[in-house]
Amino acid sequence: QSALTQPASVSGSPGQSITISCTGTSSDVGGYNYVSWYQQHPGKAPKLMIYEVSNRPSGVPDRFSGSKSGNTASLTISGLQAEDEADYYCSSYTSSSTSVVFGGGTKLTVL
Amino acid sequence: EVQLVESGGGLVQPGRSLRLSCAASGFTFDDYAMHWVRQAPGKGLEWVSGISWNSGSIGYADSVKGRFTISRDNAKNSLYLQMNSLRAEDTALYYCAKEYSSSWTAFDIWGQGTMVTVSS
Repeated sequence: QSALTQPASVSGSPGQSITISCTGTSSDVGGYNYVSWYQQHPGKAPKLMIYEVSNRPSGVPDRFSGSKSGNTASLTISGLQAEDEADYYCSSYTSSSTSVVFGGGTKLTVL
Repeated sequence: EVQLVESGGGLVQPGRSLRLSCAASGFTFDDYAMHWVRQAPGKGLEWVSGISWNSGSIGYADSVKGRFTISRDNAKNSLYLQMNSLRAEDTALYYCAKEYSSSWTAFDIWGQGTMVTVSS
């Protein structure tokens, strides 16, 4: 199965907003509201930031928000902070036999 | 404290087998589906396999189907991954992950990972 498509890198200055896209197909992102986003700092395990497209687990700052339009999901981080610098991965349920597919990951640099 | 601790990784020759274990604590293990996710060195995340709370529903990535077997023992609060016919491309850090709130595709608790290296 093909991974979801994310930009390799994005960057922004402290206080700014950035958006990371995650493009799939009607068999995954477009067909189900089961998109999740993870933050991963170097050498650390991933951390769940968004589930079911736009829901935040408790403890995740409301600076992080998720949305979806058609086959593309998006993660927006507002009020960018230095500690937001990390790799971000999207994932989705897929109707293929694999059932879960990840994006290739996006490296966020806070300038 | 909610915790997942993986073990069983190591260096193995191509074609051989390895069994990974994941010990869970701090939550009601048999209430949740559990998953294995791997990450090759310097690469992204790849979902490997998942198993429902009662082992009634199981899924595998195409890349491991027919070679890997996921299982769980709710009495021992443990998750397993039996890996057979290992290949060089299976080299990765293997994470055990817990589903979040009955959402098969969202994982809120992750272990620290166990490294599997397949090489002759």
